[in-house]
Amino acid sequence: AQRVTQPEKLLSVFKGAPVELKCNYSYSGSPELFWYVQYSRQRLQLLLRHISRESIKGFTADLNKGETSFHLKKPFAQEEDSAMYYCALAERGKLIFGQGTELSVKP
Amino acid sequence: GAVVSQHPSWVICKSGTSVKIECRSLDFQATTMFWYRQFPKQSLMLMATSNEGSKATYEQGVEKDKFLINHASLTLSTLTVTSAHPEDSSFYICSARPQGAKGNTIYFGEGSWLTVV
Repeated sequence: AQRVTQPEKLLSVFKGAPVELKCNYSYSGSPELFWYVQYSRQRLQLLLRHISRESIKGFTADLNKGETSFHLKKPFAQEEDSAMYYCALAERGKLIFGQGTELSVKP
Repeated sequence: GAVVSQHPSWVICKSGTSVKIECRSLDFQATTMFWYRQFPKQSLMLMATSNEGSKATYEQGVEKDKFLINHASLTLSTLTVTSAHPEDSSFYICSARPQGAKGNTIYFGEGSWLTVV
C-alpha cells in the first residue's frame, strides 16, 4: 500500500506565481515527514522537516493530521526552484518516499 | 556538514559480471546505511538497510543473493550487484544515519549510475 502519495508528476508555473506541491500520507501514530529536493544532476537534499517548522528557501509545509497531508508551499516561485521534489515519511528509521513531483518554473 | 560519498559515480559493466558500489561517510560514523534504487524521474525505492557488523535487512521483493550488501565498518557500506543484467541498470543511492543522531537525520550520497550492456 502506498504510504506517501504525490498526485502530481509535473507542476509547471510561471516565475512569481504561488506553488503548492501536494503530499498525502498513510500512517498510524505520529508521523515524521520531510521534503527533499533533487536539482538536476545533484544529490538529494533535505529541504525541510515538519518537526522543525522552519522555512527554507521560502518554502513552508504544514502537517495537517486531519487531512493526512504535508503540502509544500511557496508564495512566489523562482526559476532556480525548478527541480524534483520528494515527500518522505520516516517509518522505523527508514524513509519512505513519494513518487516525486517535477516542478518547472518558467520565466 | 556531514558528507556521504559514493564510488564510482557511474559504471558500465557487461552482462553477467558483478559490480561493486561503495558508500562512505566521510566525517562521521554511521551504524546504519540505506540503499535505494531510483529509475529516471521516479521515486527512490528502498532496497535494504545495512547495519554495521550484522546482516542487511532487505525489503520485500529485493533479491539478497543478487544485491549483496556488506557494512564492514562504521564508515563504509558496499553494494555488489552480482551477475548483472540490463534490467539492473539504474541509479543507486545510499544514505547514512550518523551514530547517535537524534530523530531521523539522514545524509544522502550523490548516487551511482549503473549501466549493464
